Amino acid sequence: GAVVSQHPSWVICKSGTSVKIECRSLDFQATTMFWYRQFPKQSLMLMATSNEGSKATYEQGVEKDKFLINHASLTLSTLTVTSAHPEDSSFYICSVMDRGEYSNQPQHFGDGTRLSIL
Amino acid sequence: GNSVTQMEGPVTLSEEAFLTINCTYTATGYPSLFWYVQYPGEGLQLLLKATKADDKGSNKGFEATYRKETTSFHLEKGSVQVSDSAVYFCALTNRDDKIIFGKGTRLHILP
Repeated sequence: GAVVSQHPSWVICKSGTSVKIECRSLDFQATTMFWYRQFPKQSLMLMATSNEGSKATYEQGVEKDKFLINHASLTLSTLTVTSAHPEDSSFYICSVMDRGEYSNQPQHFGDGTRLSIL
Repeated sequence: GNSVTQMEGPVTLSEEAFLTINCTYTATGYPSLFWYVQYPGEGLQLLLKATKADDKGSNKGFEATYRKETTSFHLEKGSVQVSDSAVYFCALTNRDDKIIFGKGTRLHILP
């Protein structure tokens, strides 16, 4: 079954609004989650590393005031795109780090959120 | 630094054809190597992995062998199906928690 639940899967909103995307770890406590952005027909770009109970670590070139990340519990991280504009339209994917002894993969990925800003 | 280079697509094949998607990497030490698959409108799923030299990862008829001497991890499948149409990403992890992805290869299988 799914390990990571990402919600919503698709959102359309007007320019200037803020949009919140949730990423939930279903099967285990996740101290670290990641947020990626994927442009059409391109690879995943890591935006930030979300650490439970502390500030997120943003990759170079990612505006932290634009993309607010909150990781207030061991099962939930949220990404808020503030004052969204058409250029923010993209596919956003979260992942949960798995450091378990019997883990077969380093990260479990959500199904992504397609964000369209009109 | 660490990087992954994979063949550019799209790759279009007929059903039952043999598939190879090339992937090479640059990394210090001994990275772990992965192939992920992304079906339309979905997130990534781990397809297979290899954690040390000469390891062969396999799943759903796909295989890839960790070749340290050529720093490669080519993906192969003997007979592709229409349902294999997707985007395939080669990736590595090395010492830290970040995954380094290749640019992805889009695969189209024609019936």
